[in-house]
Amino acid sequence: GNSVTQMEGPVTLSEEAFLTINCTYTATGYPSLFWYVQYPGEGLQLLLKATKADDKGSNKGFEATYRKETTSFHLEKGSVQVSDSAVYFCALRRGGGADGLTFGKGTHLIIQP
Amino acid sequence: SQTIHQWPATLVQPVGSPLSLECTVEGTSNPNLYWYRQAAGRGLQLLFYSVGIGQISSEVPQNLSASRPQDRQFILSSKKLLLSDSGFYLCAWSDLAGLVDTQYFGPGTRLTVL
Repeated sequence: GNSVTQMEGPVTLSEEAFLTINCTYTATGYPSLFWYVQYPGEGLQLLLKATKADDKGSNKGFEATYRKETTSFHLEKGSVQVSDSAVYFCALRRGGGADGLTFGKGTHLIIQP
Repeated sequence: SQTIHQWPATLVQPVGSPLSLECTVEGTSNPNLYWYRQAAGRGLQLLFYSVGIGQISSEVPQNLSASRPQDRQFILSSKKLLLSDSGFYLCAWSDLAGLVDTQYFGPGTRLTVL
């Protein structure tokens, strides 16, 4: 079946540090890939997505590239801010229709000033 | 613009009591609707999804059920809650008819079963 594996953390970084959160997936066919972010006390917000191999999703300084050869979708940001502290979820959606998302367990990111 | 509402925001219920969580979407027609649960230390799990009124697909057999009595209303229920039902319940919608496959999430309901 489909699955998503991501580092769980917590990951603690200093402000302005470089961020990488690894995400790998197992899926049949050609899934769409997503990163969602959950700020404290809130629901999930879509951060970025990619729908086919070699696509790069980007938003708010975050980037992730759909790598089919390594089945990965790592999240990166060049310079993190305190306001980036949140839980980040990698997810995939099966090829088509109304299928739900398969999520990783989430990575808790803590940015210290 | 589309908005999604969930209520209640928080709920504390005794074991064995019934449950009803409600989700409504505004600003779109015939959305796909989803219920997810986020349990402590376990990440997000898809529970149910619906492509139309009265059409419910269950992803995981369990103590819960879902119903869709109206186009933009999705209800999660239980006849008798278990301790293991505690968690953060998230409703989401997507609109494949508009070729937008992204799911948008509501604010969630935090359920504690004692």
